[in-house]
Amino acid sequence: AQSVTQLDSQVPVFEEAPVELRCNYSSSVSVYLFWYVQYPNQGLQLLLKYLSGSTLVKGINGFEAEFNKSQTSFHLRKPSVHISDTAEYFCAVSFKAAGNKLTFGGGTRVLVKP
Amino acid sequence: NAGVTQTPKFQVLKTGQSMTLQCAQDMNHNSMYWYRQDPGMGLRLIYYSASEGTTDKGEVPNGYNVSRLNKREFSLRLESAAPSQTSVYFCASNFADSGNTIYFGEGSWLTVV
Repeated sequence: AQSVTQLDSQVPVFEEAPVELRCNYSSSVSVYLFWYVQYPNQGLQLLLKYLSGSTLVKGINGFEAEFNKSQTSFHLRKPSVHISDTAEYFCAVSFKAAGNKLTFGGGTRVLVKP
Repeated sequence: NAGVTQTPKFQVLKTGQSMTLQCAQDMNHNSMYWYRQDPGMGLRLIYYSASEGTTDKGEVPNGYNVSRLNKREFSLRLESAAPSQTSVYFCASNFADSGNTIYFGEGSWLTVV
């Protein structure tokens, strides 16, 4: 079965420090990859996505992610975080053979400290 | 531009009661989805509708039913609520092609006591 694993459930980080959120997926078929962010008491909004082409994808709010096919990973990074980046981040995968349905990881809660 | 709108935002039910969560989108999307979010488990797909007139089970369909009323609206019904259905429910929609961004509503907080 296809699955998505986010290796860290919580990541505390100081303001202006870099952050990396790890995501690995298991699949034997081609995939599309997404990162969503959820601010407290809100729905999810798209940060970035990888469909094809360059493996380094840039998103909103200074985030970027790199697709590594050999390691089946799609880690999210930001070089300098702000207090406003405190949120929960979800990695998600859709498998090309399975249409639009997204399979989500368990989420990583980022707490930015002053 | 409302996007995806869900109602109600909060609801408390007693075990065995029924209720319907309503969802509407104004983006002319073909596909609509219902997810539930539980701590540490991310979002899990309950049901989806690839296009008007079709519905299919997702990962966790037991205890739920859905209706794709028209292209805009996709409702989720709990016929006999159970405490295990206490969760945050999200409706979402997108265009049919794989890889298209899915847009989410703001969520419905449901507590079953």
